[in-house]
Amino acid sequence: GEDVEQSLFLSVREGDSSVINCTYTDSSSTYLYWYKQEPGAGLQLLTYIFSNMDMKQDQRLTVLLNKKDKHLSLRIADTQTGDSAIYFCAEAGTGRRALTFGSGTRLQVQP
Amino acid sequence: EPEVTQTPSHQVTQMGQEVILRCVPISNHLYFYWYRQILGQKVEFLVSFYNNEISEKSEIFDDQFSVERPDGSNFTLKIRSTKLEDSAMYFCASSGGPLDTQYFGPGTRLTVL
Repeated sequence: GEDVEQSLFLSVREGDSSVINCTYTDSSSTYLYWYKQEPGAGLQLLTYIFSNMDMKQDQRLTVLLNKKDKHLSLRIADTQTGDSAIYFCAEAGTGRRALTFGSGTRLQVQP
Repeated sequence: EPEVTQTPSHQVTQMGQEVILRCVPISNHLYFYWYRQILGQKVEFLVSFYNNEISEKSEIFDDQFSVERPDGSNFTLKIRSTKLEDSAMYFCASSGGPLDTQYFGPGTRLTVL
């Protein structure tokens, strides 16, 4: 079945850039998403990218998609302590509504 | 900004009891979903629902589970006879169209004793 993998933990200093990586196996993935989960809260949609794009920028967030390698990354510029959270990569394949999630990357921002 | 809401935020129940988890999707959305996240594990898809029917379900969504849209605003997940392994965070989501972005609620933490 489809699988999405992420590294579990990333620690950066405030003001640095953070890069969170994700790999997926489903070659029919059409939509790829990044969700953020703060402690005790739900899943907040951060951004998404269609599979026919290779980059999307939204303020401090840059998403890069390498479809050949099935690799997705989320770059957060000028990382702030408020960015500390768990970041989930998720994908949906052609015709499927079910999202397949990665295990989440816990981002810790050191002041 | 419209959001998905879920009640209760935390439900504790005894094994074998029935529980109903409630969700109010975003008002103009037509597609509804349930996911769950067992502590320390990935978020897993359970079921999607459209036009008063289940449109997709996972292997997890067995006969113990059911979903319903009892009125124009609520969307519920019922677990008939809870097991210890049903303990998890349950997330409701909704979307405007079948492939539109899914917006998630804050989750209900279910603890089965």
